[in-house]
Amino acid sequence: AQTVTQSQPEMSVQEAETVTLSCTYDTSESDYYLFWYKQPPSRQMILVIRQEAYKQQNATENRFSVNFQKAAKSFSLKISDSQLGDAAMYFCAYRSGYGNKLVFGAGTILRVKS
Amino acid sequence: DAGITQSPRHKVTETGTPVTLRCHQTENHRYMYWYRQDPGHGLRLIHYSYGVKDTDKGEVSDGYSVSRSKTEDFLLTLESATSSQTSVYFCAISEHETDNSPLHFGNGTRLTVT
Repeated sequence: AQTVTQSQPEMSVQEAETVTLSCTYDTSESDYYLFWYKQPPSRQMILVIRQEAYKQQNATENRFSVNFQKAAKSFSLKISDSQLGDAAMYFCAYRSGYGNKLVFGAGTILRVKS
Repeated sequence: DAGITQSPRHKVTETGTPVTLRCHQTENHRYMYWYRQDPGHGLRLIHYSYGVKDTDKGEVSDGYSVSRSKTEDFLLTLESATSSQTSVYFCAISEHETDNSPLHFGNGTRLTVT
């Protein structure tokens, strides 16, 4: 079974600075998709960014980008120019290309200091 | 936002009582999921459905059952609630099975079993 590990329970960043959240995963599959979700205090689950394993180019969405290292099975999220609204729980998730279920990591709480 | 409504939003119940949580979607998506969120565990899949009357177990299905009699509704039932089932429950939907389509989540139901 696939597993997703987020080794940082909590992270802090100063407003306007850059922070990187770590995620590693374990799989024997070659076809899969990776996601980062954001969960603010409202409890809503918001998709931040997604990456297809077959794509070598790292995904980017405005201030959010990923560093996808397929051989190392690593999928980190970089948030640039951090804003107070970025404070949330962030979840890394894996989806097999052969099935539809999403497997989540335990989450990282991100605190943004003003 | 995807049209997903979970009800109730909050519920407090006593040990041993049956509880049913409802998920209603207006997107006509084929795939629906129930997850539970607990500190230190992220979101874990309870059950999922790939069509009307087609359901399967996830990794934490013990003590839960589901039903899907219509495309738009996916019910999660705790036959006899226990304190270990105190959690936040999320419903999610997906249009496709094996691509980078993200799961869209409802706003969750906080269930407390006393």
